[in-house]
Amino acid sequence: DGGITQSPKYLFRKEGQNVTLSCEQNLNHDAMYWYRQDPGQGLRLIYYSQIVNDFQKGDIAEGYSVSREKKESFPLTVTSAQKNPTAFYLCATNSRRYNEQFFGPGTRLTVL
Amino acid sequence: AQRVTQPEKLLSVFKGAPVELKCNYSYSGSPELFWYVQYSRQRLQLLLRHISRESIKGFTADLNKGETSFHLKKPFAQEEDSAMYYCALGGSNYKLTFGKGTLLTVNP
Repeated sequence: DGGITQSPKYLFRKEGQNVTLSCEQNLNHDAMYWYRQDPGQGLRLIYYSQIVNDFQKGDIAEGYSVSREKKESFPLTVTSAQKNPTAFYLCATNSRRYNEQFFGPGTRLTVL
Repeated sequence: AQRVTQPEKLLSVFKGAPVELKCNYSYSGSPELFWYVQYSRQRLQLLLRHISRESIKGFTADLNKGETSFHLKKPFAQEEDSAMYYCALGGSNYKLTFGKGTLLTVNP
Protein backbone atom coordinates (compact mmCIF):
# COMPACT_ATOMS: atom_id res chain seq x y z
CA ASP A 1 0.00 0.00 0.00
CA GLY A 2 2.96 2.37 0.29
CA GLY A 3 2.95 3.04 -3.45
CA ILE A 4 0.72 6.12 -3.10
CA THR A 5 0.91 8.40 -0.11
CA GLN A 6 -1.34 11.30 0.73
CA SER A 7 -0.72 13.83 3.42
CA PRO A 8 -1.97 14.93 5.76
CA LYS A 9 -4.58 12.37 6.76
CA TYR A 10 -6.77 15.04 8.37
CA LEU A 11 -6.75 18.73 7.59
CA PHE A 12 -8.67 21.57 9.16
CA ARG A 13 -8.80 25.03 7.65
CA LYS A 14 -10.70 28.21 8.13
CA GLU A 15 -13.11 29.37 5.49
CA GLY A 16 -11.44 31.58 2.91
CA GLN A 17 -8.02 29.94 3.13
CA ASN A 18 -6.37 28.02 0.33
CA VAL A 19 -5.03 24.60 1.25
CA THR A 20 -2.80 22.14 -0.62
CA LEU A 21 -3.15 18.37 -0.41
CA SER A 22 -0.15 16.25 -1.19
CA CYS A 23 -0.08 13.11 -3.34
CA GLU A 24 3.14 11.20 -4.01
CA GLN A 25 3.63 7.89 -5.83
CA ASN A 26 6.53 5.53 -6.41
CA LEU A 27 4.73 3.22 -8.84
CA ASN A 28 6.22 4.93 -11.89
CA HIS A 29 2.75 5.50 -13.31
CA ASP A 30 2.29 8.32 -15.78
CA ALA A 31 -1.36 9.02 -15.08
CA MET A 32 -2.60 10.54 -11.83
CA TYR A 33 -6.05 11.60 -10.69
CA TRP A 34 -7.82 13.53 -7.94
CA TYR A 35 -11.29 12.54 -6.80
CA ARG A 36 -13.66 13.88 -4.26
CA GLN A 37 -15.72 11.37 -2.28
CA ASP A 38 -18.92 12.53 -0.59
CA PRO A 39 -21.53 10.33 1.11
CA GLY A 40 -24.14 9.27 -1.41
CA GLN A 41 -22.26 10.92 -4.28
CA GLY A 42 -19.65 8.31 -5.10
CA LEU A 43 -16.33 9.48 -6.52
CA ARG A 44 -16.22 12.56 -8.71
CA LEU A 45 -13.19 13.45 -10.80
CA ILE A 46 -11.61 16.82 -10.06
CA TYR A 47 -8.44 16.86 -12.19
CA TYR A 48 -6.26 14.34 -13.94
CA SER A 49 -2.83 14.29 -15.50
CA GLN A 50 -1.61 11.92 -18.18
CA ILE A 51 1.98 13.12 -18.17
CA VAL A 52 4.32 15.57 -16.48
CA ASN A 53 3.54 19.25 -17.12
CA ASP A 54 0.09 18.44 -18.47
CA PHE A 55 -3.28 18.14 -16.74
CA GLN A 56 -6.97 18.38 -17.59
CA LYS A 57 -10.12 19.36 -15.75
CA GLY A 58 -12.44 16.65 -14.59
CA ASP A 59 -16.14 16.94 -13.87
CA ILE A 60 -15.92 19.24 -10.85
CA ALA A 61 -12.75 21.32 -11.31
CA GLU A 62 -14.18 24.67 -10.24
CA GLY A 63 -12.45 25.98 -7.13
CA TYR A 64 -9.50 23.59 -7.45
CA SER A 65 -6.07 23.78 -9.05
CA VAL A 66 -3.25 21.28 -9.62
CA SER A 67 0.31 21.08 -10.86
CA ARG A 68 2.39 18.23 -12.23
CA GLU A 69 6.02 19.26 -12.19
CA LYS A 70 7.29 15.78 -11.35
CA LYS A 71 6.08 12.34 -12.32
CA GLU A 72 5.90 11.33 -8.68
CA SER A 73 3.86 14.26 -7.40
CA PHE A 74 0.40 15.69 -8.13
CA PRO A 75 -0.62 18.21 -5.47
CA LEU A 76 -4.16 19.56 -5.29
CA THR A 77 -4.96 23.06 -4.06
CA VAL A 78 -8.42 23.71 -2.73
CA THR A 79 -8.98 27.41 -3.16
CA SER A 80 -11.29 29.78 -1.36
CA ALA A 81 -13.45 29.76 -4.50
CA GLN A 82 -14.56 26.18 -3.81
CA LYS A 83 -17.99 26.62 -2.29
CA ASN A 84 -18.23 23.36 -0.39
CA PRO A 85 -14.70 22.09 0.23
CA THR A 86 -15.34 19.83 3.21
CA ALA A 87 -14.92 16.30 1.83
CA PHE A 88 -12.73 13.23 1.56
CA TYR A 89 -10.14 13.58 -1.20
CA LEU A 90 -8.62 10.60 -2.98
CA CYS A 91 -5.58 10.52 -5.22
CA ALA A 92 -5.10 7.71 -7.73
CA THR A 93 -2.68 6.52 -10.36
CA ASN A 94 -3.29 4.36 -13.38
CA SER A 95 -1.41 1.36 -14.61
CA ARG A 96 -2.19 1.94 -18.25
CA ARG A 97 -1.09 -1.53 -19.11
CA TYR A 98 -4.17 -2.99 -17.43
CA ASN A 99 -6.15 0.25 -17.02
CA GLU A 100 -6.32 -0.31 -13.27
CA GLN A 101 -6.47 2.62 -10.91
CA PHE A 102 -4.60 2.48 -7.60
CA PHE A 103 -5.77 4.68 -4.76
CA GLY A 104 -4.10 6.48 -1.91
CA PRO A 105 -5.42 6.45 1.65
CA GLY A 106 -7.15 9.81 1.28
CA THR A 107 -7.18 13.16 3.04
CA ARG A 108 -10.20 14.35 4.98
CA LEU A 109 -10.52 18.10 4.70
CA THR A 110 -12.77 20.02 7.05
CA VAL A 111 -13.33 23.70 6.54
CA LEU A 112 -14.56 25.46 9.63
CA ALA B 1 -22.39 11.01 -21.96
CA GLN B 2 -21.05 8.25 -19.75
CA ARG B 3 -23.13 7.34 -16.78
CA VAL B 4 -23.10 4.60 -14.17
CA THR B 5 -26.13 3.86 -12.05
CA GLN B 6 -26.14 1.83 -8.87
CA PRO B 7 -29.78 1.84 -7.81
CA GLU B 8 -29.27 0.60 -4.25
CA LYS B 9 -27.52 2.83 -1.73
CA LEU B 10 -27.80 0.17 0.94
CA LEU B 11 -28.08 -3.60 0.73
CA SER B 12 -28.38 -5.87 3.73
CA VAL B 13 -28.26 -9.68 3.62
CA PHE B 14 -27.63 -12.51 6.04
CA LYS B 15 -24.50 -14.61 6.04
CA GLY B 16 -24.79 -17.46 3.56
CA ALA B 17 -27.44 -15.75 1.46
CA PRO B 18 -26.88 -14.85 -2.19
CA VAL B 19 -26.05 -11.25 -2.94
CA GLU B 20 -26.40 -9.19 -6.10
CA LEU B 21 -25.24 -5.60 -6.41
CA LYS B 22 -26.73 -3.93 -9.44
CA CYS B 23 -24.93 -1.72 -11.91
CA ASN B 24 -26.25 -0.23 -15.14
CA TYR B 25 -24.25 1.92 -17.51
CA SER B 26 -24.72 4.28 -20.40
CA TYR B 27 -21.95 4.41 -23.00
CA SER B 28 -21.91 4.75 -26.75
CA GLY B 29 -18.79 2.69 -27.40
CA SER B 30 -17.51 -0.68 -26.29
CA PRO B 31 -17.58 -0.51 -22.48
CA GLU B 32 -14.82 -1.40 -20.08
CA LEU B 33 -16.31 -2.09 -16.66
CA PHE B 34 -14.91 -2.56 -13.20
CA TRP B 35 -16.00 -3.18 -9.63
CA TYR B 36 -14.05 -1.46 -6.87
CA VAL B 37 -14.44 -2.18 -3.16
CA GLN B 38 -13.67 -0.15 -0.06
CA TYR B 39 -13.51 -2.09 3.19
CA SER B 40 -13.70 -0.22 6.47
CA ARG B 41 -10.46 1.70 7.12
CA GLN B 42 -8.89 0.43 3.92
CA ARG B 43 -8.13 1.95 0.57
CA LEU B 44 -10.39 1.71 -2.40
CA GLN B 45 -9.18 -1.22 -4.49
CA LEU B 46 -10.05 -3.05 -7.66
CA LEU B 47 -12.20 -6.12 -7.11
CA LEU B 48 -12.62 -7.28 -10.67
CA ARG B 49 -12.80 -6.15 -14.28
CA HIS B 50 -15.07 -7.55 -16.95
CA ILE B 51 -12.36 -8.34 -19.49
CA SER B 52 -10.62 -10.78 -17.17
CA ARG B 53 -13.79 -12.80 -16.54
CA GLU B 54 -12.38 -14.05 -13.26
CA SER B 55 -13.87 -14.72 -9.86
CA ILE B 56 -12.37 -12.77 -7.00
CA LYS B 57 -13.28 -13.62 -3.38
CA GLY B 58 -16.20 -15.60 -4.78
CA PHE B 59 -17.60 -12.60 -6.66
CA THR B 60 -18.39 -12.65 -10.37
CA ALA B 61 -19.80 -10.07 -12.73
CA ASP B 62 -21.05 -10.58 -16.26
CA LEU B 63 -21.30 -7.83 -18.80
CA ASN B 64 -24.74 -7.82 -20.45
CA LYS B 65 -24.57 -5.41 -23.37
CA GLY B 66 -28.24 -5.88 -24.22
CA GLU B 67 -29.33 -4.75 -20.79
CA THR B 68 -26.30 -2.46 -20.32
CA SER B 69 -25.66 -4.06 -16.97
CA PHE B 70 -22.69 -5.35 -15.01
CA HIS B 71 -24.19 -6.78 -11.83
CA LEU B 72 -21.90 -8.17 -9.12
CA LYS B 73 -22.91 -11.49 -7.65
CA LYS B 74 -21.86 -13.90 -4.95
CA PRO B 75 -23.76 -17.09 -4.13
CA PHE B 76 -23.00 -17.17 -0.40
CA ALA B 77 -22.23 -13.87 1.33
CA GLN B 78 -19.71 -13.72 4.17
CA GLU B 79 -19.47 -11.14 6.96
CA GLU B 80 -16.10 -9.99 5.62
CA ASP B 81 -17.84 -8.96 2.39
CA SER B 82 -19.38 -6.01 4.21
CA ALA B 83 -18.02 -2.94 2.43
CA MET B 84 -18.81 -0.14 0.01
CA TYR B 85 -18.88 -1.30 -3.60
CA TYR B 86 -18.48 0.97 -6.61
CA CYS B 87 -19.14 0.12 -10.21
CA ALA B 88 -16.94 2.05 -12.67
CA LEU B 89 -16.91 2.60 -16.42
CA GLY B 90 -13.70 3.23 -18.31
CA GLY B 91 -13.55 6.07 -20.77
CA SER B 92 -11.07 8.06 -22.81
CA ASN B 93 -7.70 9.07 -21.37
CA TYR B 94 -7.90 6.19 -18.91
CA LYS B 95 -10.57 8.01 -16.91
CA LEU B 96 -13.16 6.20 -14.86
CA THR B 97 -16.75 7.20 -14.21
CA PHE B 98 -17.95 5.84 -10.89
CA GLY B 99 -21.41 5.05 -9.67
CA LYS B 100 -22.58 6.40 -6.34
CA GLY B 101 -21.84 3.16 -4.56
CA THR B 102 -23.72 0.48 -2.65
CA LEU B 103 -23.02 -0.19 1.01
CA LEU B 104 -23.30 -3.92 1.58
CA THR B 105 -23.88 -5.21 5.09
CA VAL B 106 -23.72 -8.93 5.73
CA ASN B 107 -25.38 -9.80 9.01
CA PRO B 108 -24.37 -12.83 11.09
